[in-house]
Amino acid sequence: EAGVAQSPRYKIIEKRQSVAFWCNPISGHATLYWYQQILGQGPKLLIQFQNNGVVDDSQLPKDRFSAERLKGVDSTLKIQPAKLEDSAVYLCASSLPGVLSEQFFGPGTRLTVL
Amino acid sequence: KQEVTQIPAALSVPEGENLVLNCSFTDSAIYNLQWFRQDPGKGLTSLLLIQSSQREQTSGRLNASLDKSSGRSTLYIAASQPGDSATYLCAVSPSRESQGNLIFGKGTKLSVKP
Repeated sequence: EAGVAQSPRYKIIEKRQSVAFWCNPISGHATLYWYQQILGQGPKLLIQFQNNGVVDDSQLPKDRFSAERLKGVDSTLKIQPAKLEDSAVYLCASSLPGVLSEQFFGPGTRLTVL
Repeated sequence: KQEVTQIPAALSVPEGENLVLNCSFTDSAIYNLQWFRQDPGKGLTSLLLIQSSQREQTSGRLNASLDKSSGRSTLYIAASQPGDSATYLCAVSPSRESQGNLIFGKGTKLSVKP
C-alpha cells in the first residue's frame, strides 16, 4: 500500500514570496491533516479536512495561509506572502474516519524562508 | 490550554539497555494518547495508542503506560538497539470530537550507541 505522498520535499524562497505544497493521501482515507513542525518543536495542527470539508482550521493563520482539498482527495497548502517564521517542515497526514483511526504521515516538505 | 512536556529532551544509552521516556500533560481530560517515532527527514510513525480508559499498551519491545489522573505517560523500551535511535514524540487528543487535533510534546531524541 502506497503511503502519503508530499511534494516538493524541499523549498527555499525569499520572504514575501508565495509557495504551495501538495499532498496525496492514502487511497480511501477521508480525513486529511496539515501540520507545521518548527525545528525543535512538536508538530502543530494547521487544518483538518473530512472529505473536502474543513473540520478544524482554528490554528491556521488565515491572513497568509490557505488550504483546499478538491474532490476530497489531494490537497494543497499555500502561503502568501511567506515570512521568516514560516520556516518549518510541513507534514501531511491522512486517516480513515472513525474514533480509533491512526494517522499516517508523509515525509514532509522542508520550507526555508530567507 | 493543554500543554505536553517530554523529559529528557535528549538521551544517549549503550546498546542493550532498558530505558524510559517520560511525557506529562497539564489537562487530564484527554481522549487518547499516542507515542510516535520520527526519523530524520521522514514523517512520523505511530508506535502505540492508549485510550483514556486504558492503562497500558504493548507492542514488541515497547510498552506505554498512562496515568490519566496524574497527567503522565511513559514509554518503556526494552533491550535497546541502534535502530531505535530516533526522536520519540508524545501526543494527546483532547476529545472524541476533536480527536484529530493532536497536541504534541517537543520530543525526546534518543541515541543508542553500539
